[in-house]
This record gives sequence, structure tokens and C-alpha cells, in this order.
Amino acid sequence: AQTVTQSQPEMSVQEAETVTLSCTYDTSESDYYLFWYKQPPSRQMILVIRQEAYKQQNATENRFSVNFQKAAKSFSLKISDSQLGDAAMYFCAYGRTFNFGNEKLTFGTGTRLTIIP
Amino acid sequence: NAGVTQTPKFRVLKTGQSMTLLCAQDMNHEYMYWYRQDPGMGLRLIHYSVGEGTTAKGEVPDGYNVSRLKKQNFLLGLESAAPSQTSVYFCASSLRDIIYEQYFGPGTRLTVT
Repeated sequence: AQTVTQSQPEMSVQEAETVTLSCTYDTSESDYYLFWYKQPPSRQMILVIRQEAYKQQNATENRFSVNFQKAAKSFSLKISDSQLGDAAMYFCAYGRTFNFGNEKLTFGTGTRLTIIP
Repeated sequence: NAGVTQTPKFRVLKTGQSMTLLCAQDMNHEYMYWYRQDPGMGLRLIHYSVGEGTTAKGEVPDGYNVSRLKKQNFLLGLESAAPSQTSVYFCASSLRDIIYEQYFGPGTRLTVT
């Protein structure tokens, strides 16, 4: 079974600084997707960024970027120029593609990010 | 366009009572999911559906049942609630399989006493 590990339960960063959240996963598959979801205090989860395993290029969405190391099974999220609105719980998730009948995501336990003004 | 809505937002049950949580989406999504979120454990998948009339077990299905009679609705039932089912429940939907973004509802906080 796939597992997703987020070893940092809590992180904090000064406003305008850069922070990196770690995620590792375990899989024997070669085709899969990785995601970072954000859950602000309002509780509504939203997608931050997505990475296809077959792509070597790291995904980027504005201030959010990932460092995808397929061989090391590592998928970290970098937030640049941190803003107060970035304060949230961040979840890493894994999903295997071409897995008809078993389409689901496995989530990590989350990292709570605090932004210090 | 309301997205994904969940009813109710809060509920307190006594042990042994039953209830149904309703999830509705207006995005014509094929896939729908029910998760539970507990402190320190992230989101765990309870059941999911890959289309109208289909359901499948997730990671923690025991004590729950689901139905997807209409494409836009996904119901989660607790037949005999237990304190271990105290949690926050999230419904999500996606256009199709996992490569598509999952859109989440606002959650239902359930307490079983």
C-alpha cells in the first residue's frame, strides 16, 4: 500500500521569507500524480499544486513550487515571499494513474504552517 | 455555482443513533469521495464512487455505508454511531480520475457521545 509521510507537524516562517515543506512517499509504481492541498482555518481544502511523475520539470504556480525527486521519492513544497494568507494546514497527497476501479488519493498527516508577521 | 455542499454542518449524536450526511455537487463531476479527518491522522478515505450507481470501499469503510443514486449526490450513512466516529467529515468530487483536482465541501463536524 502506498504511504505518504510528512515529517514536520508544524512549521513557521517570517512573512516575506521562504519556507519548504517536506513530503516523502512510498510506491512501486512509475505512473502517478502528487499533489499539495491547503486547508486554511475555514477548513475548505483547495489544490495548491500538482506534479505528474513522468515529468522531470518541477511544477510551479506563482509563489508555490515543488522539488520533485522521483528516485528519492521526495516531493517538497516551497513557498516564496510568504504571506499571512498562506497560514494553513498543508497536505501532501499521492494518486496512482491508470488504476481503474481504484482511483483514490492517499494523504499525508499534514504540516501546519504559521506565518509570523 | 455552489460547488460542493454538505448537509448538515454540525451534528451531535448519541451512541447507537443513525444519521445520513448529504453531499451535493453541481459541477457534473463523475467521481465523489467521503473522507474523515482526525487530529494527527490527515484525511482518510471512507468510501468513494466513480459514477452514478457505483460505490467502492476506501481505507476506513467499517461502520459506514454510502449510496450514489444520482450523479450529483453522494450520501454517507452511519447505521449505529460510535464515539470512534467522532470526526470531521469531508466530501469531495472530481471531474474524473485522480489526475483531476478534487473539490472539497466545507466539512461536517460530528460528535458522538
